[in-house]
This record gives sequence, C-alpha cells and structure tokens, in this order.
Amino acid sequence: SQQGEEDPQALSIQEGENATMNCSYKTSINNLQWYRQNSGRGLVHLILIRSNEREKHSGRLRVTLDTSKKSSSLLITASRAADTASYFCATGLIGGSNYKLTFGKGTLLTVNP
Amino acid sequence: EAEVAQSPRYKITEKSQAVAFWCDPISGHATLYWYRQILGQGPELLVQFQDESVVDDSQLPKDRFSAERLKGVDSTLKIQPAELGDSAMYLCASSLGLAGGGGNEQFFGPGTRLTVL
Repeated sequence: SQQGEEDPQALSIQEGENATMNCSYKTSINNLQWYRQNSGRGLVHLILIRSNEREKHSGRLRVTLDTSKKSSSLLITASRAADTASYFCATGLIGGSNYKLTFGKGTLLTVNP
Repeated sequence: EAEVAQSPRYKITEKSQAVAFWCDPISGHATLYWYRQILGQGPELLVQFQDESVVDDSQLPKDRFSAERLKGVDSTLKIQPAELGDSAMYLCASSLGLAGGGGNEQFFGPGTRLTVL
C-alpha cells in the first residue's frame, strides 16, 4: 500500500518560475526522501530529511517537514525545462536492522521553455 | 560513477510464460530491493534482501513470483506464469543499508519494462 500522497498530481509552469509539491502521509516515520523520475527511467535520489529536521536545502531544492501535520513539501526554485519529471516522496521507517521506503503516487511536473 | 545494472530493459511475453529479470547492484551495497511500478503510480516494494537473506517479501505474490540473491551480490526476479496484470516497470535498487553504516539513500537501476500480451 502507498503511504504518501503527493499534491498536486500534475503541475505545469513556465521556465524560471518556482514549483511546489506537497506530500502527506499517515503513520510515524524516521525520515522522508524525495526522488525524481524522468520519463520511463529509474528514480534518482534528491534529498533526505530526518524526522527531527524541519527544513533542508540542496542547490535549488528546499524541503520542509512538519511531523505534527504529517506533511512535507518540495520547492524547486528558478525551474528549468530539464526539471520536467515525476517527483515522488517516500517515507522511511526503520524496523530492527531493516529500513523500508514507501512511495507516494508522485507529481508530474512539466516546465515549459 | 557506479550504477545499478538491470537487464533486459524491455521484455514482451505472452501470458502463462515465464520471465526473469536480472539486477547487479552497486559494488559493496548489502541491501537490494525489487520494486514494481505500474504506470502512473509510485514504486511498490516486492522484496528486500540483506546480503543473501530475504528480510521483507510481504508484498511478493509468492504463488508466481520468486527472487534470489544467492551469493549476496546480483539478484534475479522470476515470474511464472506471467499474467496480464503483471505488465509494469520492474525496478531494482541498492543501498549500503543500516548495517553497512550507510545512509538510507537508494540507488535505482533503469528498470525492466514488462509487457504481457
């Protein structure tokens, strides 16, 4: 079953604009990750935020996490056509010596040149 | 840069036939995952290995799916017999894993797109 739900399902913006994607989840987590997937390809890790962190930056990416609301957001600033892809949040849970990721359904971002 | 290798990239088969997918993780990665991704959905975990041992196969349809990682390195996922509903992208990922002192980042291969006719 899928834990996270991304919102919106699809987003279309112009190059140079900012893109914000949201993720909500249902159960407790140890961390949350965001991945990007270009059409028909494998996923690429973007950023990981731990449950005790509220905000994290990586280049043009900014991720926030609100564990009280069980939600996260991914902001891409100054978007480029190459940012066109599907973006997935994935909740991470540690059980013993095992770590499991549960992915949401993703947001399809289209950046128009 | 080290990558996760998967083959074949594409597979077309008829229902009731057997299919097999192969994955070679990044060298040194103890944890290996097989995911299934239906078009328009996120990946769903099928099976997780720690070295050669299965640590989670709760979502693996064991009546038709099997997975092995005999020497704790590369892995094979098999479907027999294939059904129409198995058409999907099958993704392999690897990570250092908690025991390896690594982070939780997973590295994905390019996937195998399966079409069952």
